[in-house]
Amino acid sequence: NAGVTQTPKFQVLKTGQSMTLQCAQDMNHNSMYWYRQDPGMGLRLIYYSASEGTTDKGEVPNGYNVSRLNKREFSLRLESAAPSQTSVYFCASSAGRDRDTQYFGPGTRLTVL
Amino acid sequence: GEDVEQSLFLSVREGDSSVINCTYTDSSSTYLYWYKQEPGAGLQLLTYIFSNMDMKQDQRLTVLLNKKDKHLSLRIADTQTGDSAIYFCAESWRGGATNKLIFGTGTLLAVQP
Repeated sequence: NAGVTQTPKFQVLKTGQSMTLQCAQDMNHNSMYWYRQDPGMGLRLIYYSASEGTTDKGEVPNGYNVSRLNKREFSLRLESAAPSQTSVYFCASSAGRDRDTQYFGPGTRLTVL
Repeated sequence: GEDVEQSLFLSVREGDSSVINCTYTDSSSTYLYWYKQEPGAGLQLLTYIFSNMDMKQDQRLTVLLNKKDKHLSLRIADTQTGDSAIYFCAESWRGGATNKLIFGTGTLLAVQP
């Protein structure tokens, strides 16, 4: 049981480049989430998917798109990376019921030059 | 929107107790969580408390909840160097089809040998 996995672990992009961060979970969870973590700001929700086939914006969605490919996988895409998107990105999943404990992946450290 | 506040830094000696405090704002939160983040890693769920409880104990961890003051604390007894990490409190917020977590900014716990 791997839990929540993310690829890649590290990435360096130039301004304007695009890339997709991958996330998969093997816990049969309904809900999945993408966060970014910046120093002194905690974790902020970018997008979430309450269930397969649905996605919704979180607190900081601008500059990002997501795809809930199937129940297991939830990807985050940066179409035109900007230095302000330099951050650590975490994916999480939860069962989607009332006691909605979220389980986190190890993170992707992204630097945009 | 909701705002969860934590002090930024706490330093203790090995063997002492640590108390990490958190103030939240949404009195309708049903669950409140404590997560631990070690350097370069994702967030690991430590414990949670249901909003109708005042206290929860789990081995060296004690969570106290004061709903009137919207104050949550995490006490770590017999703190060890392996407890050095960033600790995040989070409140769950039901908005839309799934619960979302609102995180505090994190408290860096430094344990001195």
